[in-house]
This record gives sequence, structure tokens and C-alpha cells, in this order.
Amino acid sequence: AQTVTQSQPEMSVQEAETVTLSCTYDTSESDYYLFWYKQPPSRQMILVIRQEAYKQQNATENRFSVNFQKAAKSFSLKISDSQLGDAAMYFCAYRRPTQGGSEKLVFGKGTKLTVNP
Amino acid sequence: ETGVTQTPRHLVMGMTNKKSLKCEQHLGHNAMYWYKQSAKKPLELMFVYSLEERVENNSVPSRFSPECPNSSHLFLHLHTLQPEDSALYLCASSRALGTSYYGYTFGSGTRLTVV
Repeated sequence: AQTVTQSQPEMSVQEAETVTLSCTYDTSESDYYLFWYKQPPSRQMILVIRQEAYKQQNATENRFSVNFQKAAKSFSLKISDSQLGDAAMYFCAYRRPTQGGSEKLVFGKGTKLTVNP
Repeated sequence: ETGVTQTPRHLVMGMTNKKSLKCEQHLGHNAMYWYKQSAKKPLELMFVYSLEERVENNSVPSRFSPECPNSSHLFLHLHTLQPEDSALYLCASSRALGTSYYGYTFGSGTRLTVV
């Protein structure tokens, strides 16, 4: 079964600094999607960034970028110029196809990010 | 507001009560999901509906009963719950059957406490 591992239960960063959150996954498939979601105290899970496995180029969304290492099955998230509003739980997720066409996600346990002023 | 609305936001119920959680989306998505989020555990997939048909039930106890009357609405009916069922219940939707996949849109969740 596919699994997603986030080895850092908690991380902290100084405002304006850069932080990297780790994620590894296990799969035998060659085509899949990976995601990072952010869950602030408001509980809303918000999509931060997505990566298509067949694309070698790392995805970037403003201050958020990923380091996708397919052979190593690693998908880390880098947050540059950290802001107080970045404080949240961050979840890494893997998408695998299911019967019927829906595509369910498998999530890691999450990393709690604290941003210090 | 992300396009997926969950009600109620908070719910406290006794073990003998019957209640329902509601999820609504008007994003044109055709797959909907219920997840359970407990402290210090990964999100647990409970049910998947694709095109209003239940395509997955992850060994969820029968005290949880989903209903998907149309592609915009999803319910989770609750009865005779246990204290360990206390958790955040998240609804999500996605656009299935596409060649590109953009992930889920989540609701804000219902914080359920069973007393």
C-alpha cells in the first residue's frame, strides 16, 4: 500500500527566513500526483502546490517551491521569506487512482510549522 | 469561502443521539469524500462517492452512514457513536475522470464531540 511519511512533527522558522519540510512516499506506480496542503488554525485545508510525477521540473508557486526527487521518492517543500501567516500544519499527499474514476489522496501525518517574529 | 461548505461547524452529541453532517459544493465537481481527522493521526479516508455512486467504504463502522443524493450534496448520518469517534470530519470534492488532476477542495470541517 502507498504510504506518505513526514518525518518532522514540528518545525520552526524565523520570519523572513527559509524553511524546508520533508516528505517521502512509497509507491510502485510511475505516474502520480503529489501535493502539499496547508491547514491553519481555521481548519481549512488549502492546496499550496502540486507536482505531476511525469514532469521533471519542480513546481513553484510564489514563495513555495518543491524539490521533487522521483528516484528517491522524496518531495520536500521549501518556503522562502517566511511570513507569520505561513504558520500552520502542512500535509504532504499522494494521489493514487481508484476504481470508478475518483482519485483519492493518501496523506502524511503532517508537520506543524511555527513562524517566529 | 472555498466553494465547499460544511455544516454544522461544531457538534456535540450524546452516544444515543442521531445527527447528520452536511457538505455542499457548487464547483461542478463530481467526486466527494469524507475524511476523519484525529489528533496525531493521518487523515483517514472514510467514504468516496464518484458520480453519486459510493465507490469506496474503508471499513467504516455502520454507525456512520453516508448519503449522496446528487453531485452537489453529501451527508454523513451519525447514530450511537462512541467517544473515540470525536474528531474533525472533513468533506472534500474533486473533478474526477479528467486528464489533469488538481487535487481536492476541502470544506472547513465539522468538529464533533461525543459525550
